[in-house]
Amino acid sequence: EVQLLESGGGLVQPGGSLRLSCAASGFTFSSYAMSWVRQAPGKGLEWVSGISGGGASTYYADSVKGRFTISRDNSKNTLYLQMNSLRAEDTAVYSCAKDRAVLPNNFDFWGQGTLVTVSS
Amino acid sequence: EIVLTQSPATLSLSPGERATLSCRASQSVSSYLAWYQQMPGQAPRLLIYDASNRATGIPARFSGSGSETDFTLTISSLEPEDFAVYYCQQRSSRPLTFGGGTKVEIK
Repeated sequence: EVQLLESGGGLVQPGGSLRLSCAASGFTFSSYAMSWVRQAPGKGLEWVSGISGGGASTYYADSVKGRFTISRDNSKNTLYLQMNSLRAEDTAVYSCAKDRAVLPNNFDFWGQGTLVTVSS
Repeated sequence: EIVLTQSPATLSLSPGERATLSCRASQSVSSYLAWYQQMPGQAPRLLIYDASNRATGIPARFSGSGSETDFTLTISSLEPEDFAVYYCQQRSSRPLTFGGGTKVEIK
C-alpha cells in the first residue's frame, strides 16, 4: 500500500524558512517522480515543484522559483521542500504527490498534507 | 504557463443525473490532460489521465474526452459519493497547472 506522510509544517514569520519532509513507502521510490502541491484555505490546487525519480531534474512554479528548493533522498525514501523567504501568500496545506512516471506528469497518490502558515 | 479554465464553477444536479464538466486550455495541450476528484477534507484522487484513460479502480461511469484545448469530464449517472470538487490538470508543459475547479453539488 502506497503511503505518503508529510511533516515539518507550522507557523513561520514572513521572510522565514521552513523545511518540509515526505516519507514514502509501499512503492519503489526512486522509480517515480514526486511533486509538492499546495492548497490555500478554501482555494484550488497549485503545483509547486517536482523532481524526477533519480533527482537530477527539478521543476518549479514561477511563484516559488528562487525561493523554494525540492530534493529527495532515495536511500531514505524521503522527499523534501526547503522553503525560504516565505510570504503570506505561501500559506497553504502542502501535500506531496507520487507521479505515474519518472518525470513530473500526473499524480496517482497523495499525502494528507501539512499546514504552513506564514504570519507575523 | 498554460492556463486551464473550468466551467461551470458550480453544477447543481440530482443523483442519477448526468454531469458534464468542461476544461479549456489557453493553448494546445494535445491529449495531456487529467481529471481529479476532491472530497471535503480529503486528498485529490486521480480519475482520468491523458484525456480519456481511467485510472486504476475508477468506475466506468467516469469518462473523459477531448483534445488540444477543449476537454470534457462526464459522469454518466451521479452517485451520492460523486458530489465533490473536480479539477483538471495539464502535463503538456511545465510548470504543470491545474484548473480552478468545478463543484458538483446536490440540487
